[in-house]
Amino acid sequence: NAGVTQTPKFQVLKTGQSMTLQCAQDMNHEYMSWYRQDPGMGLRLIHYSVGAGITDQGEVPNGYNVSRSTTEDFPLRLLSAAPSQTSVYFCASSRPVGNGGYTFGSGTRLTVV
Amino acid sequence: AQTVTQSQPEMSVQEAETVTLSCTYDTSESDYYLFWYKQPPSRQMILVIRQEAYKQQNATENRFSVNFQKAAKSFSLKISDSQLGDAAMYFCACKNYGGATNKLIFGTGTLLAVQP
Repeated sequence: NAGVTQTPKFQVLKTGQSMTLQCAQDMNHEYMSWYRQDPGMGLRLIHYSVGAGITDQGEVPNGYNVSRSTTEDFPLRLLSAAPSQTSVYFCASSRPVGNGGYTFGSGTRLTVV
Repeated sequence: AQTVTQSQPEMSVQEAETVTLSCTYDTSESDYYLFWYKQPPSRQMILVIRQEAYKQQNATENRFSVNFQKAAKSFSLKISDSQLGDAAMYFCACKNYGGATNKLIFGTGTLLAVQP
């Protein structure tokens, strides 16, 4: 199994550009989420989805959009990149209930200049 | 809302010694799960150990064990016989049981150095 696949692994954007971070999982997990990791702040939840067609905001949603048209895919869109969005982004998935930990992708390091 | 606090930004341990990483949390739910994740320099998030809040027995996984104090909302991680490969960032996390959101909330992390 591939688990959770994130692309790209690295990206440099100019301020104001838009881009989409891709996330796909092959474990038939209903729940998917996006986190950003910044030094000294841990992982903060951006958006999450409890199933296809259902998304909701996490702790730091501003500047990001998501959609969930299929169970497998959960892309994160930056509409107009800002330097404050320089971070490492993780996608994760899990079953909706139970003690299963989340499965994480390998992360995307994004730099906005 | 859930919160997770890790008060030790950095820790250091000698190889073969034991170290304990601290974590406190807050949640209004009675049923929840607690986790410790390891993040080595490769950036990959690796699940180290998990604890169900309804279980009184502390979880153990080989050299890793937890001290779960539900009344105090404390969830510390003990690493015995520390190895160089244990050097990493460690995150404590909390997830409420079931519900509509299933959100996993993280602490700010503890960077563990292992001295040879």
